[in-house]
Amino acid sequence: DIQMTQSPSTLSASVGDRVTISCRASQSITSWLAWYQQKPGKAPTLLIYKASNLQSGVPSRFSGSGSGTEFTLTISSLQPDDFATYYCQQYNGYSRRTFGQGTKLEIK
Amino acid sequence: EVQLLESGGGLVQPGGSLRLSCVVSGITFSSYAVDWVRQAPGKGLEWLSGIGGSGTGIYYADSVKGRFTISRDNSKNTLYLQMNSLRVEDTAVYYCAILVGVTDTSDFWGQGTLVTVSP
Repeated sequence: DIQMTQSPSTLSASVGDRVTISCRASQSITSWLAWYQQKPGKAPTLLIYKASNLQSGVPSRFSGSGSGTEFTLTISSLQPDDFATYYCQQYNGYSRRTFGQGTKLEIK
Repeated sequence: EVQLLESGGGLVQPGGSLRLSCVVSGITFSSYAVDWVRQAPGKGLEWLSGIGGSGTGIYYADSVKGRFTISRDNSKNTLYLQMNSLRVEDTAVYYCAILVGVTDTSDFWGQGTLVTVSP
């Protein structure tokens, strides 16, 4: 199975900061990586698909990059609504999917 | 508007069984693969199982393989998860979801249903 490792587990930042979250796959997944945002008590929402494609309706301050085994999610200028937990998910072909363990983005 | 509505959660004793359902509306259900994802209290997301649009192409996470069975009834626009031999560690919110894939960028989630496994 493909394992996904996110870092850091927790990130403290301030409004206006630029932040980066990393996700590493245990084997190449080419570009089949998604990023989700989840707020307490809610289902996750898709931010980025195929590593770098912004889902419709998602603010342009979110961006994704990477391929193979190394991926990043960047928020260019944090807004109050962005404090949440973020997950990466691999979908390398239609088979077993895997989520990263999550990164909680907290207000500093 | 696409909607996924889970039901069937509740309290069950260890070793017991439960069947979750997810009714999907607003899309051509049979055209989409559908998945189950869970989240234990205070923990991260865990993908459990997925099934192709025609009911073939079924996959499970190791944590539930042999205990959980995914199925679908396209005539009823409904996804199921039969959960047997439940353990305390299966306590979680269970989501059905149409997840972004290689051929489709659609991504929709239900609101989740809580399963509590406790003596």
